Amino acid sequence: NAGVMQNPRHLVRRRGQEARLRCSPMKGHSHVYWYRQLPEEGLKFMVYLQKENIIDESGMPKERFSAEFPKEGPSILRIQQVVRGDSAAYFCASSPPDGAYEQYFGPGTRLTVT
Amino acid sequence: LAKTTQPISMDSYEGQEVNITCSHNNIATNDYITWYQQFPSQGPRFIIQGYKTKVTNEVASLFIPADRKSSTLSLPRVSLSDTAVYYCLVGAPFSSGAGSYQLTFGKGTKLSVIP
Repeated sequence: NAGVMQNPRHLVRRRGQEARLRCSPMKGHSHVYWYRQLPEEGLKFMVYLQKENIIDESGMPKERFSAEFPKEGPSILRIQQVVRGDSAAYFCASSPPDGAYEQYFGPGTRLTVT
Repeated sequence: LAKTTQPISMDSYEGQEVNITCSHNNIATNDYITWYQQFPSQGPRFIIQGYKTKVTNEVASLFIPADRKSSTLSLPRVSLSDTAVYYCLVGAPFSSGAGSYQLTFGKGTKLSVIP
């Protein structure tokens, strides 16, 4: 059973460009969570999605950030017009419907904005 | 969400038992205690979860006193590969109906295992 998959593992963008981060949950998991980790910090919750639904986006910056989890395909975290402060590791996690407190994390995407 | 306090770093020699203590004075009745492990450049990995007394699995043991205001993660006979950051989280499972799916990670405890 493959774990949570994220791609790309490393992404470099210039200021003003768009970044698209993808996450495929574990088989059988229908809940996806995105977290951001700044250097030397713990992970911070961004958004919680189920298929075709955003359940909670309270941790997401109000501008430039969006997330989706379509009926088919991976979950996408999209950052428009990236700035240097967006440089961080972005982790995706998934859980089965009844195990939200035991989340399984992917390897992360390291975004560097130059 | 209950606030947690744990040491910033610890050093240990290979083969020793390591105990990492986490304080959570305002833990709520529905809250569980969960520990995650994170290696450099990887996502956190679930280690163990407990509510009270003692829980043991193939990786670690978790000791929780009766008042539940603290907990101790015990790693038996650590090896170099146990060098990682260990996070203590406190909260209620979403399935309990009163919980939160927003895992709150502090800065964790950076464990360095020395040969």
